[in-house]
Amino acid sequence: DVKVTQSSRYLVKRTGEKVFLECVQDMDHENMFWYRQDPGLGLRLIYFSYDVKMKEKGDIPEGYSVSREKKERFSLILESASTNQTSMYLCASSSPAGDYGYTFGSGTRLTVV
Amino acid sequence: RKEVEQDPGPFNVPEGATVAFNCTYSNSASQSFFWYRQDCRKEPKLLMSVYSSGNEDGRFTAQLNRASQYISLLIRDSKLSDSATYLCVVILYSGGYQKVTFGTGTKLQVIP
Repeated sequence: DVKVTQSSRYLVKRTGEKVFLECVQDMDHENMFWYRQDPGLGLRLIYFSYDVKMKEKGDIPEGYSVSREKKERFSLILESASTNQTSMYLCASSSPAGDYGYTFGSGTRLTVV
Repeated sequence: RKEVEQDPGPFNVPEGATVAFNCTYSNSASQSFFWYRQDCRKEPKLLMSVYSSGNEDGRFTAQLNRASQYISLLIRDSKLSDSATYLCVVILYSGGYQKVTFGTGTKLQVIP
């Protein structure tokens, strides 16, 4: 089974801090994604990547950046955390066509105080 | 109109009941469809793909109606363990990229 591992399950950070969320997948998937999930808003795509060094903005990229230096690792960076970035962050990966669905990591619940 | 719409529920059903959820999508060019299940405070997990011919996995049946642009999930003989939020996913392939849209989910609560 594909395994997607997110480095932290719970994080508490202060406003203005730089925050790194790490995601690693072990199935050699080309595609990796970062979502945030908020009550009533569902899953919203922040950034995605279809290859090493490649990144594309999703629907809500403001305040975030990403890094994909290796195929298995996709990092989400909050340049200067703000309270409105308190959320559940989910990383996912998929095969190129995506026709076998997406596998999600267990999520990081980030609280910015 | 939202790209993907689901009734948020909650659907409260007794054990053993049959329940169905629909999910409508706005782009007729959408090509792949899935149902995911998400338990409280957990990540979404793939439940099943949805094919034009329909597909069945035990008590679960998924169908696609392209003419009316919706997918459905039918759960027969509901179990307490089916209580979760069910998300539909619609994928559009365009210009070499996938545009993946998640519904906001339908909450199911199966009652003893």
